[in-house]
Amino acid sequence: SAVISQKPSRDICQRGTSLTIQCQVDSQVTMMFWYRQQPGQSLTLIATANQGSEATYESGFVIDKFPISRPNLTFSTLTVSNMSPEDSSIYLCSVVEYNEQFFGPGTRLTVL
Amino acid sequence: AQSVTQPDIHITVSEGASLELRCNYSYGATPYLFWYVQSPGQGLQLLLKYFSGDTLVQGIKGFEAEFKRSQSSFNLRKPSVHWSDAAEYFCAVVHSGGGADGLTFGKGTHLIIQP
Repeated sequence: SAVISQKPSRDICQRGTSLTIQCQVDSQVTMMFWYRQQPGQSLTLIATANQGSEATYESGFVIDKFPISRPNLTFSTLTVSNMSPEDSSIYLCSVVEYNEQFFGPGTRLTVL
Repeated sequence: AQSVTQPDIHITVSEGASLELRCNYSYGATPYLFWYVQSPGQGLQLLLKYFSGDTLVQGIKGFEAEFKRSQSSFNLRKPSVHWSDAAEYFCAVVHSGGGADGLTFGKGTHLIIQP
């Protein structure tokens, strides 16, 4: 199964700033996804990031707020821009391999 | 749009007792269904999945789930729970057709194990 790492594992940020989260996979994968898990809540899909194309965002999420890069088949970044306390969440990336979705350990973000 | 309902927010079970966690989905075609577990401070781990075929699916850690199309359900079961099973359990369905797509998650069921 794919092994996924994320950086940073956690961060505390000031409102109005931006944070870029990195996701690294140990194998080449076509599809990568970014999710958000707000405190005590379930996971919500933010966007799908395929290499060589623009990310596809779900309803309620926009590129200006959550720009995504996918420069190659093993790496992606998600930026949380102009942060507010409501952005405090765990952000997870995931990949699909053999129709199974594997998740990274998550990045715990706290916005003050 | 597809949706997943987990009607039980919390469930408390005695150690050694049987467990059933409920999951109902709303999806027009044959769904791809998953159960994940999230332990405190841990990442998401896939317990089992259903794509097609045998409607009784075996997973890891002694869990199984049964797909019932007539009831739009995919309930998770375990015959005898262990204290280490205390965790958050999420049912999920693929976002759209096919297996390689984003997931829609239920709100989760928090499992508490009593000694």
